[in-house]
Amino acid sequence: GQQLNQSPQSMFIQEGEDVSMNCTSSSIFNTWLWYKQDPGEGPVLLIALYKAGELTSNGRLTAQFGITRKDSFLNISASIPSDVGIYFCAGQVSSGNTGKLIFGQGTTLQVKP
Amino acid sequence: ETGVTQTPRHLVMGMTNKKSLKCEQHLGHNAMYWYKQSAKKPLELMFVYNFKEQTENNSVPSRFSPECPNSSHLFLHLHTLQPEDSALYLCASSQASGRNNEQFFGPGTRLTVL
Repeated sequence: GQQLNQSPQSMFIQEGEDVSMNCTSSSIFNTWLWYKQDPGEGPVLLIALYKAGELTSNGRLTAQFGITRKDSFLNISASIPSDVGIYFCAGQVSSGNTGKLIFGQGTTLQVKP
Repeated sequence: ETGVTQTPRHLVMGMTNKKSLKCEQHLGHNAMYWYKQSAKKPLELMFVYNFKEQTENNSVPSRFSPECPNSSHLFLHLHTLQPEDSALYLCASSQASGRNNEQFFGPGTRLTVL
């Protein structure tokens, strides 16, 4: 079945540092979504990408939809302690109308004040 | 209430119990989803409902039985579960189950099966 490879699996950084994580797939997607999950909560949508090459920002977060439509990255600039959590990418399959999302394994981010 | 709500937030049950999880969305969406989230695993899609009709059953064991009485409510009925079913069960909703499928999640129900 389709799989997403998300890396890195975990990161431990100093407050103020920039962070980059990415997802790759052997399949083409027509939508990429990035979510953040805090402990004990459900994932919260951060950024949605719909076109190959699209670069979208949400505050200190920037995400890009890869040109090949098989990858996406998320950057966080000037990290702060509340950025701690698990970040998930999700890709929507390009065929059919079921809108099924495939999720990456997640990147656990820890920020040291 | 806004967004997607789930009750209960925590549930402990024995293997012979019958319980139900409830999800309600206040976003005017037409599609609702159940996911299972286990430690160290990606989110696993269980069921999809589109305009109250089930459109996806991702090979889920019959001890999990979904119910969608209307576009705003989704239930997951649990019966004779196994300890390995212990996980965070997440409900999500989206405008429709199609392109540009931005799904919004509830806080989840943390289920422990003894």
